[in-house]
Amino acid sequence: EAQVTQNPRYLITVTGKKLTVTCSQNMNHEYMSWYRQDPGLGLRQIYYSMNVEVTDKGDVPEGYKVSRKEKRNFPLILESPSPNQTSLYFCATKGSLYEQYFGPGTRLTVT
Amino acid sequence: SQQGEEDPQALSIQEGENATMNCSYKTSINNLQWYRQNSGRGLVHLILIRSNEREKHSGRLRVTLDTSKKSSSLLITASRAADTASYFCATDAIDNFNKFYFGSGTKLNVKP
Repeated sequence: EAQVTQNPRYLITVTGKKLTVTCSQNMNHEYMSWYRQDPGLGLRQIYYSMNVEVTDKGDVPEGYKVSRKEKRNFPLILESPSPNQTSLYFCATKGSLYEQYFGPGTRLTVT
Repeated sequence: SQQGEEDPQALSIQEGENATMNCSYKTSINNLQWYRQNSGRGLVHLILIRSNEREKHSGRLRVTLDTSKKSSSLLITASRAADTASYFCATDAIDNFNKFYFGSGTKLNVKP
């Protein structure tokens, strides 16, 4: 089954403790992206990657890092999380017709 | 920011009625897409309309695009309780197919 998986699905952490949210896809898509979703703001793009070793900033990249060392994986790294990064995070890939396929989401709480 | 806005923010209708939601955006685009999100879950792609298209159909969905007004509408005909979800429009940037901007969404409730 074609899918995008994210781990963990839920995470509660404390300010300043580095964390990584993993994203993996089995659709062989070149493009992957990370979004955060906050009430009343819709989804905002954090980073995207056009291919292995090629990444670029979205609308809200501050406080986040990404890497794309393999085609199937695109982890999101928060080096020093802060409470304003409490959000629902989605990883997505893009198919040949520009449609995006989303993972199930990771709900992050930073206290 | 190019982030769009959906209107209305919330819509409640009876099963069998049509639901119309609108999306406005700020700058020129290549494509506009509509997505559905069931409560707290990942978004599901519904339909894409290109900037040179004015109308597109897919099953019970009808999308229109007016690039002069920078707006789009999504019509769901003969709605069902299972259509209850939030609906988002998403645009790219005219100079960058890889950047996406989502609206704030319309929350649709279809009462059985």
